[in-house]
Amino acid sequence: GAVVSQHPSWVICKSGTSVKIECRSLDFQATTMFWYRQFPKQSLMLMATSNEGSKATYEQGVEKDKFLINHASLTLSTLTVTSAHPEDSSFYICSTPDRAMNTEAFFGQGTRLTVV
Amino acid sequence: AQSVAQPEDQVNVAEGNPLTVKCTYSVSGNPYLFWYVQYPNRGLQFLLKYITGDNLVKGSYGFEAEFNKSQTSFHLKKPSALVSDSALYFCAVRDPRSGYSTLTFGKGTMLLVSP
Repeated sequence: GAVVSQHPSWVICKSGTSVKIECRSLDFQATTMFWYRQFPKQSLMLMATSNEGSKATYEQGVEKDKFLINHASLTLSTLTVTSAHPEDSSFYICSTPDRAMNTEAFFGQGTRLTVV
Repeated sequence: AQSVAQPEDQVNVAEGNPLTVKCTYSVSGNPYLFWYVQYPNRGLQFLLKYITGDNLVKGSYGFEAEFNKSQTSFHLKKPSALVSDSALYFCAVRDPRSGYSTLTFGKGTMLLVSP
């Protein structure tokens, strides 16, 4: 199956700083990546769809200026949490799109962000 | 719109006993159904899927799931639970008529297997 590498696995930052999370597809070219946010003991919430070479598509209620997504190459998508606040603390996960409707998605390992 | 319900926040089972994690779904057409497992501070790992064919699907780590169209259910099962099965389990659905849409996840069920 497809391999998705997400980095870092955890990060602690101070309020007001920015944090970048990387998601790499290791064995295929990903024109699209999905970014999810997960609160403790809750399900995954789709934040945005990252599109290579074009602007990301954000879900309703997600601040695009707060969560900057860049997909500059076919193997790398990044999520930058700008001017982080404690309420941004969460678990962020990237995922491949489906190669076909009947295939499973593949997920990165996730990033635990703690803003202090 | 498609949706998934996992009615149990937590399932407790003793090691060696059978386990069931429940999932019901709602889609307009015939669904594609998936189960994923998540260990603490890790991403989701694919367990199994139902696309078409035999209603009983076998997956990784001895898990299986049964698709029941009349009850719109896709319960996850394992004949004999292991302590290492303790994790968070997500059911997900996709309506194949909706195009290359993302998966819709249930809220997750925490499985705790006691020694």
